[in-house]
Amino acid sequence: AAGVIQSPRHLIKEKRETATLKCYPIPRHDTVYWYQQGPGQDPQFLISFYEKMQSDKGSIPDRFSAQQFSDYHSELNMSSLELGDSALYFCASSPAGGYEKLFFGSGTQLSVL
Amino acid sequence: DAKTTQPNSMESNEEEPVHLPCNHSTISGTDYIHWYRQLPSQGPEYVIHGLTSNVNNRMASLAIAEDRKSSTLILHRATLRDAAVYYCILRDVENFVFGPGTRLSVLP
Repeated sequence: AAGVIQSPRHLIKEKRETATLKCYPIPRHDTVYWYQQGPGQDPQFLISFYEKMQSDKGSIPDRFSAQQFSDYHSELNMSSLELGDSALYFCASSPAGGYEKLFFGSGTQLSVL
Repeated sequence: DAKTTQPNSMESNEEEPVHLPCNHSTISGTDYIHWYRQLPSQGPEYVIHGLTSNVNNRMASLAIAEDRKSSTLILHRATLRDAAVYYCILRDVENFVFGPGTRLSVLP
């Protein structure tokens, strides 16, 4: 069965650079969630989209932005990267209905040097 | 956001049942109770969810208190592969917030 696909798997950037993370949800899933997980921490909710519109916003820094495209894939854009942005970034997708389970991708490991 | 409270850590012996508790005293009538687990270096994985009635699937059982203010995830026979952080989450339509979960250790 198709799963949530995230790319790239690993990303190394320098401070003040920009990064773009991509998420391809499971087919027919129209809701996407983004999470950030620092070392030894719990996943922190960043932002979610439903039908290409932002549906909720968590602790996402102003330097970050995200969108969901017409094919339902989503991209998380991160600018002016800081050392503290080094983390595992997960994307999850869910079918319409609001109360269905989430399916998570394997994550993108971002290292900021 | 509705909040959940779980023990920081629990230990179990292999092949014994494990009962992971979760308190959610501020749960609303429309909040579903979800359980996920996260193995090291992996994305969270769905375990089970329910609204009011107890639920069973191939991975686990979910026992929900009659007043819905608490629930218990039951792993019937723990294996070494069940060692993970288990998260109890109240499912709101738009957001899905992880709190501190329970780190389960399984001893051989």
